[in-house]
Amino acid sequence: AQSVTQLDSQVPVFEEAPVELRCNYSSSVSVYLFWYVQYPNQGLQLLLKYLSGSTLVESINGFEAEFNKSQTSFHLRKPSVHISDTAEYFCAVSEGLTGANNLFFGTGTRLTVIP
Amino acid sequence: EAGVAQSPRYKIIEKRQSVAFWCNPISGHATLYWYQQILGQGPKLLIQFQNNGVVDDSQLPKDRFSAERLKGVDSTLKIQPAKLEDSAVYLCASSPLDRDFYGYTFGSGTRLTVV
Repeated sequence: AQSVTQLDSQVPVFEEAPVELRCNYSSSVSVYLFWYVQYPNQGLQLLLKYLSGSTLVESINGFEAEFNKSQTSFHLRKPSVHISDTAEYFCAVSEGLTGANNLFFGTGTRLTVIP
Repeated sequence: EAGVAQSPRYKIIEKRQSVAFWCNPISGHATLYWYQQILGQGPKLLIQFQNNGVVDDSQLPKDRFSAERLKGVDSTLKIQPAKLEDSAVYLCASSPLDRDFYGYTFGSGTRLTVV
């Protein structure tokens, strides 16, 4: 069975400071990993994903995440945050790559960027 | 392309009343999902359709929740009768079945408050 753990429910950070949002997963088979972002009153948007290949994946707005199989982690990082990064971030895992496979979500981490 | 449309955006009902939510997925997306997101938690899958057939409804409380996807396009999710613990955001998502592409597209959700 799959599960996703996001240990930090809230992360406050000052503007332009670095941030790391932690995600750990458990699964008995190979997994595919995702980070979704949810801005206030909006739906979930895909931020980045790891499917195969390079374990370091990047988004267009400066976030990156590294798949670490030995530690079963997929932590999200950004070297310098902006006010606009304030949102809820969800880590998710799937055991397949077709539209028939479900996504299992963590409980989310609320990132608050302080001016 | 147009996104996943959901309506209404907000709904307030009294317990024991009934309510229905509507979802129009992205054109051509064979798979449609309904997720329940309770405040402070990650989204939880309620039901998954592939075209107009149900793939997974193991987490759907069938004594009060029902869903259908007529003609493999639009979908409705109904709750009857509602309970206080049904207060949540109900998210609809769609995805194609192509193996080379993966990523759900989520709608903005319907926020249900049961009083």
